[in-house]
Amino acid sequence: QKEVEQDPGPLSVPEGAIVSLNCTYSNSAFQYFMWYRQYSRKGPELLMYTYSSGNKEDGRFTAQVDKSSKYISLFIRDSQPSDSATYLCATFYNNAGNMLTFGGGTRLMVKP
Amino acid sequence: NAGVTQTPKFQVLKTGQSMTLQCAQDMNHNSMYWYRQDPGMGLRLIYYSASEGTTDKGEVPNGYNVSRLNKREFSLRLESAAPSQTSVYFCASSEMVGNQPQHFGDGTRLSIL
Repeated sequence: QKEVEQDPGPLSVPEGAIVSLNCTYSNSAFQYFMWYRQYSRKGPELLMYTYSSGNKEDGRFTAQVDKSSKYISLFIRDSQPSDSATYLCATFYNNAGNMLTFGGGTRLMVKP
Repeated sequence: NAGVTQTPKFQVLKTGQSMTLQCAQDMNHNSMYWYRQDPGMGLRLIYYSASEGTTDKGEVPNGYNVSRLNKREFSLRLESAAPSQTSVYFCASSEMVGNQPQHFGDGTRLSIL
């Protein structure tokens, strides 16, 4: 079992919809949670970064962490065609030698 | 700002050939990383360099070698390419290893026939 799981999609929504992207993880020690956005033929770029449980909002994007359920979510309000990309969650905990652990990514398509 | 620059962008090799992938960052970051990305597998860490002069193995190091040439540059070498190494390779950098966000290049698409 992978440490971080994501539904690969594709998830197809109409423009203006609210999008919910999710990850589950298995290691309760994870403390830091990130969302990366990756456009086709480009490298991942950091979108959101949260620590521990709770919500963080940035414009149309909200990241939510529920450590009790080991569940992290990214919500996109008023989705736009330019949001069409693959979204990768990543997580980390402080321990010598630990690296970021990535989910496999969810492909999102927002149709005009 | 260039950020993280990878060369080449595309390459086709024959089985058994060798090749070096180049990566340079201009953000004065201490740590650099090499990942491979395969469909359904996500990003898997090959090697990383926590600081200039150090390198360590990641999750999938077999068949690869790395060199941290200086603070800016981190190269990945395939000594004898195999079809299983067909992938997209990403270089990334961060201020330090750990919970720091990583900044990625746009990848090298490598096909091995």
